[in-house]
Amino acid sequence: RKEVEQDPGPFNVPEGATVAFNCTYSNSASQSFFWYRQDCRKEPKLLMSVYSSGNEDGRFTAQLNRASQYISLLIRDSKLSDSATYLCVVNFGNAGNMLTFGGGTRLMVKP
Amino acid sequence: NAGVMQNPRHLVRRRGQEARLRCSPMKGHSHVYWYRQLPEEGLKFMVYLQKENIIDESGMPKERFSAEFPKEGPSILRIQQVVRGDSAAYFCASSSVAGEVANTGELFFGEGSRLTVL
Repeated sequence: RKEVEQDPGPFNVPEGATVAFNCTYSNSASQSFFWYRQDCRKEPKLLMSVYSSGNEDGRFTAQLNRASQYISLLIRDSKLSDSATYLCVVNFGNAGNMLTFGGGTRLMVKP
Repeated sequence: NAGVMQNPRHLVRRRGQEARLRCSPMKGHSHVYWYRQLPEEGLKFMVYLQKENIIDESGMPKERFSAEFPKEGPSILRIQQVVRGDSAAYFCASSSVAGEVANTGELFFGEGSRLTVL
């Protein structure tokens, strides 16, 4: 079983739609959680952290469910520019504090 | 540009040759992470280094791969006797303080080096 699992998609949605991605992680002792965005053939960039109480940044809302070990990302009012791959990222609290990335969910927003 | 610099951006090698990928972290950063991304897959952690030290190499293949981060100069990821399966994008990321990554989640990535093995 992968440590961080995501549905690879693609999710094809029209502009203005609301879309949600889920991600599950394997280790209940996981420390911290994030969403990254990666454009085609570009480097990943941090989109937002995910807090236990849930958090919002503009059109983006991230939520964490520790009991079920999943993380979600909700995008409201999708824009063409939101088309990208969204990577679920977990810090498992290991010595190096490295981040473990999921395989990504590809989003394509169509006009 | 004070960002993470990787070179070469694109590298083509024939099977059996060596590939050397270089990474200069952001100014002031002393922690370097290497990740590999196979086509249509996610990023896989390879190795974490601080200056002159390998801290965690649990993601490195046991053979043919090595990494260093000398006191002076860039971090180097070296792949000996490349095979077709090594074709991938190799991303380097840096941070200023290791513990900070766990809190902020912010790794600063370079644009990657794309290795193609013929």
